[in-house]
This record gives sequence, C-alpha cells and structure tokens, in this order.
Amino acid sequence: QKEVEQNSGPLSVPEGAIASLNCTYSDRGSQSFFWYRQYSGKSPELIMSIYSNGDKEDGRFTAQLNKASQYVSLLIRDSQPSDSATYLCALREGNNRLAFGKGNQVVVIP
Amino acid sequence: EAQVTQNPRYLITVTGKKLTVTCSQNMNHEYMSWYRQDPGLGLRQIYYSMNVEVTDKGDVPEGYKVSRKEKRNFPLILESPSPNQTSLYFCASSLSPTSGTYNEQFFGPGTRLTVL
Repeated sequence: QKEVEQNSGPLSVPEGAIASLNCTYSDRGSQSFFWYRQYSGKSPELIMSIYSNGDKEDGRFTAQLNKASQYVSLLIRDSQPSDSATYLCALREGNNRLAFGKGNQVVVIP
Repeated sequence: EAQVTQNPRYLITVTGKKLTVTCSQNMNHEYMSWYRQDPGLGLRQIYYSMNVEVTDKGDVPEGYKVSRKEKRNFPLILESPSPNQTSLYFCASSLSPTSGTYNEQFFGPGTRLTVL
C-alpha cells in the first residue's frame, strides 16, 4: 500500500484565520490526490481533488500539490466553526482504490 | 435521493457469532468497497468489487468475506467475529474506475461494530 502521512496533531485556529494542513506521500508515481472532510461520527465527504502541480481553489478551500517534493496541502481561509472536523488526505491507487492518511483534526475557536 | 445505505448502524455482538452488514446503493455504481476506520490507523480498505461477481482483497481482508451477486448490494460477512474486529465500518461506491479517471467514492453512514 502506498503510504500517506499526516503527522500534525490537532490544529486549533481562531475563527476567521487560515487553517493549513499538510500531507506527504511515498510513491513518486502517484497522480491523483484528494482531501476528505469527516465530521465526528459521520462518513467522509470529498471536498477537493487535485491532479496537477500548483494550486486549485474552490471557495474557501485551496489545495496545493508539489509532486517533486511529494506533498499536498489544504488551506482553509476564513475558518468557520462549521469547518471543525477531521481532514483526511488520500491518494488514488490502481482501480479506484484510495489510500488514506490518518487524518488531522481541526478545531475552529469562535 | 442518491445514497449508500448500511444496516445495521450499530451492532454489539459476541465472539464467534456470525454476522452480516448490508450495503446498498441506488446510483447504479459498478464499484463498491468496504473500509474500516480505527483510531490512530485511519481508513483501511477491506475488500472491493469492480462489478457484479468481481471482488478482490484490499489491505486488511483477514476475517472478512464479501459477495457481489447484484449490482446494488455488497454485504460484508464476518463468519467468526473477534474483538479485534471492533471498528467503524464504511461502505462506499462509485462509477466504474476503468475510464482511467477517478470517480468520486460516496460513503455510507457507517456501522459501528463492537465484538465482546
């Protein structure tokens, strides 16, 4: 299985600030990367996908991919209490399989 | 409403008592998959199915069985559950991945299983 690392502990950010999450991966051949959001006790939901180097923006979310350095990051601008969740980094293996990181918990403090 | 459903949502059972967790999707998806989620270990794939009658092992298949007799259903079977199978289980489905692009996987609500 391809390894996906999310090493940061819980992240606390004040409301309105930027939350920054990082993820590294081991397989240089990986092509497709995803960020899922998971609220406590709920199922994961896809919030961003990125396939090319650079930035991809969708509303308050920006995903950044750097294949040379083998990392993908997620920025949440203007963080809201509703953004409090666990964020899972994932990459696509063959046949639509996903390899997930262990997740990072984000807590937005009003 | 397009969705993936799982039953039961919560189950407490005892070691060795066979159980089945059902998964059904109404989106006509070819691909279905089972994951388990454990604290500190994240989501790990148990089994997946590319289409009817086509199943394959994921990363942690030991102790589990699956079948795919109909397109919409993908039950997870624990023939002899053990306490180390206590976990949160998710079923997911998507369109066929054979096109070479990623098709979003939609997750069911989860089944919390406790094996005593």
